[in-house]
Amino acid sequence: GNSVTQMEGPVTLSEEAFLTINCTYTATGYPSLFWYVQYPGEGLQLLLKATKADDKGSNKGFEATYRKETTSFHLEKGSVQVSDSAVYFCALSLNDYKLSFGAGTTVTVRA
Amino acid sequence: DTGVSQDPRHKITKRGQNVTFRCDPISEHNRLYWYRQTLGQGPEFLTYFQNEAQLEKSRLLSDRFSAERPKGSFSTLEIQRTEQGDSAMYLCASSFINTGELFFGEGSRLTVL
Repeated sequence: GNSVTQMEGPVTLSEEAFLTINCTYTATGYPSLFWYVQYPGEGLQLLLKATKADDKGSNKGFEATYRKETTSFHLEKGSVQVSDSAVYFCALSLNDYKLSFGAGTTVTVRA
Repeated sequence: DTGVSQDPRHKITKRGQNVTFRCDPISEHNRLYWYRQTLGQGPEFLTYFQNEAQLEKSRLLSDRFSAERPKGSFSTLEIQRTEQGDSAMYLCASSFINTGELFFGEGSRLTVL
């Protein structure tokens, strides 16, 4: 079946540190890949996406590259801020756009 | 506020009671989704609608669960004869057709005692 495995948290960082959250997937076809973020007290929202191999999604300083050879979609940010504290979910979808989510990674950034 | 809204935000009920959640999607969106999320897990797909048609139901959705979207606008999710295992956050999302960008509501948290 289709599934997503992402790095377990929680992750605690200092401001301006480098953040990476690993995500790997298993899929029967060629999925689109997503990172969703949930800030405290808010609903999930799309952070970035990539729809085919070697595509790079980027938003708010975050980047992730769709790596078909390693079935990965790792999330990175070069310099985190306190406002990046949130839960991050990796997700995939096939043609019907039904999302399958990973378990989420809680990130806390300290000033 | 023109985002996805869910009601109620919190519901505490006794085992065996029925509960109903409502979701008002973004008005222009054709698709509406229901997901369930338990502590420490990502959201799990339950069902989705395209306009008023329910196109898919997960095997997670037992016979005690029913969802409707009668006029292609708001949706309801009803759980009959609730069990403690139904305790979870129920998330609603909406989107345009053929886009992976789902807009989520803040969820309805159900606690079954």
